[in-house]
Amino acid sequence: DTGVSQNPRHKITKRGQNVTFRCDPISEHNRLYWYRQTLGQGPEFLTYFQNEAQLEKSRLLSDRFSAERPKGSFSTLEIQRTEQGDSAMYLCASSPPAGTGHSGANVLTFGAGSRLTVL
Amino acid sequence: GESVGLHLPTLSVQEGDNSIINCAYSNSASDYFIWYKQESGKGPQFIIDIRSNMDKRQGQRVTVLLNKTVKHLSLQIAATQPGDSAVYFCAENTGANSKLTFGKGITLSVRP
Repeated sequence: DTGVSQNPRHKITKRGQNVTFRCDPISEHNRLYWYRQTLGQGPEFLTYFQNEAQLEKSRLLSDRFSAERPKGSFSTLEIQRTEQGDSAMYLCASSPPAGTGHSGANVLTFGAGSRLTVL
Repeated sequence: GESVGLHLPTLSVQEGDNSIINCAYSNSASDYFIWYKQESGKGPQFIIDIRSNMDKRQGQRVTVLLNKTVKHLSLQIAATQPGDSAVYFCAENTGANSKLTFGKGITLSVRP
């Protein structure tokens, strides 16, 4: 296992188009998170899955955003009718089950991110 | 409101010197804190963490100090190396879903 994998790494799209990002977490991690990061800012939480259940969604996640994790493994984040303000780095992270070691479940392992540019 | 912030946007240090990066938080309910390092084009990478029942934790060349009285967190890097150049983020967790709230980040630049 080589860590958290995200695809595509870069996506350039025109305003109004739909885009989808994929995240493959570390295989033994049951928790998966999506964050958004803009230039010079820290990552902002978008949504959280435990196995296949989406347990928390940020108010940042508008109706145009949808995330899924159908089999409790990989996850997708879709943005419909993209706007220029959606341009950002979309980061995926995963963590092991609760009760794992000193800090285990709290340590999020991040992928390299998917950079979205909306023209 | 709840926030995690950093005092300085940039820090420039001489190679070999020690670096201290500071962070203030406002959520007294936070029970876990973590420092991440992010290099250009990469995702955040775990450096070190600390629980609220501790005030100091040491790793390899790094030390995290937690002062709950003034809600202050710091990262100390000993003998700073060029490879330490990156953006550093502190983050806090209040225990719910292990969700982390990040600060804005500080850039560490190491002069040769």
